[in-house]
Amino acid sequence: SYVLTQPSSVSEAPGETARISCGGHNIGTKSVQWYQQKPGQAPVLVINYDTDRPSGITERFSGSNSGNTATLTISRVEAGDEADYYCQVWDSRSDLPVFGGGTHLTVL
Amino acid sequence: QVHLQESGPGLLKPSQTLSLTCTVSGDSVSNYNYHWGWIRQPAGSGLEWIGRIYSTGTTNYNPSLRSRVTISLDTSKNQFSLKLTSVTAADTAVYYCTRDPGDWFHPWGQGTLVTVSS
Repeated sequence: SYVLTQPSSVSEAPGETARISCGGHNIGTKSVQWYQQKPGQAPVLVINYDTDRPSGITERFSGSNSGNTATLTISRVEAGDEADYYCQVWDSRSDLPVFGGGTHLTVL
Repeated sequence: QVHLQESGPGLLKPSQTLSLTCTVSGDSVSNYNYHWGWIRQPAGSGLEWIGRIYSTGTTNYNPSLRSRVTISLDTSKNQFSLKLTSVTAADTAVYYCTRDPGDWFHPWGQGTLVTVSS
C-alpha cells in the first residue's frame, strides 16, 4: 500500500517560515491535500490539488509537490498556526485515501 | 455554508454495534458532485478512513473494516449514517463525517467521541 511519511514535529519562531514535508513514491504525480488540526478540533482543509487554497484560508499557507516530496509552507508563522498538519493523497491503485502520520508544528 | 453534525451514542460495550448519523445542512446528500463519508481518529493517533457513499447509494469501504461497516443515506432527512458491528476497544475513537468531491475531505463535522468499554 502507498505510504506517506511526515516528520513528527517541526518548530519555528514567530515571523519565520515553516516547511512541513510529506514524502511518498512519485508523490509528484499525485494530487496532495493538507489539513490543519488544532487541539480538540476537527481537521480543516488548507491546501488541495497541491497548491490551491480553499476559500477562507490565509495566503500565508502554500503548497508544492514534485518528485518524491510535497511541502506545506507557512509564511510569517503565528502562534495560532500551532497545530498538527496531515498530508493526504488518493491512491489510485487501491482506490483508497492515504494520510500521512501528521506533523506537530510548534511555534517557539 | 455547508455544515455537518455527527450524533449518536458515546459509550458502547464490546460486541455492540456502533451507530452514528451525520446531519447535513447547506447542501444535499443527493448532490451528484460529492461523496459523503466517515473518518476516525483514535486519541493521540492519526486519521483512518472508514468509507463513503455516493448519492446513488454506491459505497466504498476501507478493506480493513469492510466486513463490519455499513454506510447508508437517508435523503428525506438529508442525513447519512455509519454502522460498525462487533466493536472492540480498538474502535474507540473520535468519528468525523465529511464531504468529499473525490480527492479531498471538506468540510468535516466537529467529531463525536465513541468509547468502547465494558
